[in-house]
This record gives sequence, structure tokens and C-alpha cells, in this order.
Amino acid sequence: ETGVTQTPRHLVMGMTNKKSLKCEQHLGHNAMYWYKQSAKKPLELMFVYNFKEQTENNSVPSRFSPECPNSSHLFLHLHTLQPEDSALYLCASSPGTGDTGELFFGEGSRLTVL
Amino acid sequence: GQNIDQPTEMTATEGAIVQINCTYQTSGFNGLFWYQQHAGEAPTFLSYNVLDGLEEKGRFSSFLSRSKGYSYLLLKELQMKDSASYLCAVRDSNYQLIWGAGTKLIIKP
Repeated sequence: ETGVTQTPRHLVMGMTNKKSLKCEQHLGHNAMYWYKQSAKKPLELMFVYNFKEQTENNSVPSRFSPECPNSSHLFLHLHTLQPEDSALYLCASSPGTGDTGELFFGEGSRLTVL
Repeated sequence: GQNIDQPTEMTATEGAIVQINCTYQTSGFNGLFWYQQHAGEAPTFLSYNVLDGLEEKGRFSSFLSRSKGYSYLLLKELQMKDSASYLCAVRDSNYQLIWGAGTKLIIKP
């Protein structure tokens, strides 16, 4: 139990569907992150939020839309995805972004796009 | 460009010692991290090195040489539960984490 919970754990969707991934952290952290993890590839940072404000968007396609209503919750809205978007999506949190040291990860949402 | 290299896969025997290497080329350096990730689980923090030398934590140790752009994770008295992927990450001058692709460690009885 890392204190970061992601739902759903598994998701299968067609290219025309709209779905959302949810992340919740119970650690009192101020920064939250979305990462994409593909097999045998380094973790790819997608979005960073600090105190609910987006501080980083690493050239992520617009079919991925993040939302951070408060410091404890983070969403990733998905629409018109492509098969190459199939991956494990990891949420993480940290006390702040100025000192991005230890990250606390959720167990991830395994996404399959048909 | 920035790059982290680590072996894709390693195999070791229960009770033995294994060393997982990580070399890096980054824009500046503000620390190196090792994470462990069991299949289907969250990556979890193992160690952090910012100065040269060896940091020991139980059966796990991590070494850093900044001049060589090199680190290793040393696992002693291997147990079956140590079968996992080990991720190396470097924090660059902008405090961004640059990740390696991970090393899958297989422990055999």
C-alpha cells in the first residue's frame, strides 16, 4: 500500500470511446504526476500538477486530457485513442515539485485500445 | 540528448549476489534514484545517491561515481521475492527525472 490508489486497474476501450482514469493520494502531497509505461521503455512523464496547477505538459497529444480538481485527486480523460496508446498509466505523488525526490506511485491502470 | 543505460535482463541464483549497473549522460546531475517494481505493482523507492560512494540499506546497497556517470545497485543474499524490475533514474539540472528502461531481474532457486 503506497498511499496512491488508481482506478480502474484494467481498461479495454475502442478507439471511439471516452473513458477516464482516476488517481487519489492519501499522503497529503501537493504534487501529482501522470506517467506512461510501455514495455521495455523508460517511464514517460506526461503531466505534472503542483497545488492543482498544471506545471508541465510533455507534448502529450490532445486525446489525453488531465484534470486536477484538488491536491488529492487527479484524472486522465481519454478519447479517440490509438492502439499505440495501449500501456500502463501510472500516477505518482510527491510532497512538492521543487524537490522531485522520492515519488510514490500507484499500481497503475493497464489500458488496452482495440 | 539525455540517456540512461541499464541491462534489459539479468538472472541470478537464490542466496547469491547480483550487481545491476546504470550509466547516465544527462544535462547536469542532482541525484540518482533506484526503484523496484514487481510485476503488476507500483514502483517503490529503494535508494538515493547524490554524493560519490556507497549507500547501504540492509541487503541492498547503491554506489555512485559522478565523474564516471555510473551507478550500481548491489543485492546480497538474494531471495525469490527480489525477482522484479529495477529502475534507475537521474534528476537533471532542471530537477526533472530521467528514467532508464529498467532491468528485469530473474532469481532462480
